[in-house]
Amino acid sequence: DSGVTQTPKHLITATGQRVTLRCSPRSGDLSVYWYQQSLDQGLQFLIQYYNGEERAKGNILERFSAQQFPDLHSELNLSSLELGDSALYFCASSFMPGDSYGYTFGSGTRLTVV
Amino acid sequence: AQSVAQPEDQVNVAEGNPLTVKCTYSVSGNPYLFWYVQYPNRGLQFLLKYITGDNLVKGSYGFEAEFNKSQTSFHLKKPSALVSDSALYFCAVRDLRSNDYKLSFGAGTTVTVRA
Repeated sequence: DSGVTQTPKHLITATGQRVTLRCSPRSGDLSVYWYQQSLDQGLQFLIQYYNGEERAKGNILERFSAQQFPDLHSELNLSSLELGDSALYFCASSFMPGDSYGYTFGSGTRLTVV
Repeated sequence: AQSVAQPEDQVNVAEGNPLTVKCTYSVSGNPYLFWYVQYPNRGLQFLLKYITGDNLVKGSYGFEAEFNKSQTSFHLKKPSALVSDSALYFCAVRDLRSNDYKLSFGAGTTVTVRA
């Protein structure tokens, strides 16, 4: 167990629907990162939060949004889902942004859009 | 901009033989470099990192990596591979000059160690 908790582990939903993925960072970590892993795109950085504030944005679609709450957990909201959104979504955390110790990854949420 | 290239999609070796997984990077400033390993249906696990100091970095499970600034490379090595080393390996980089702190990952290299 890495200490980063992601729920749910698996999610199957239909096109056009909206889902919420949840991430609880490792105890003491203030920064949360979201990554998407798909077969054709590899690991893509989506967005980063530090202590409740957005710090960096990557290749995140406008249909996607995220936030980090005061208790530091984060949620990634995916709406108007398309087949191409099927992927493994990872959350990672670190104490500080850009922590030189690297990031601790959760086990991921596997999203399947049918 | 920062980027990582892992030129080999797959590496196949026999158990007991040396294992090398290649990685080259591109950054504007100085790099932080990382290797992660992913087993099936699992998250990424940290193996080792280079920040500063010795060019040869030792990590978990007997892995090591050599930082070569002139060749902008950070190849992962293991002297004697095990079947249990079969997994997907990712190299990642962060540019110390960047204002954000995201890691950029390579496409990954699938390592298969045959008994």
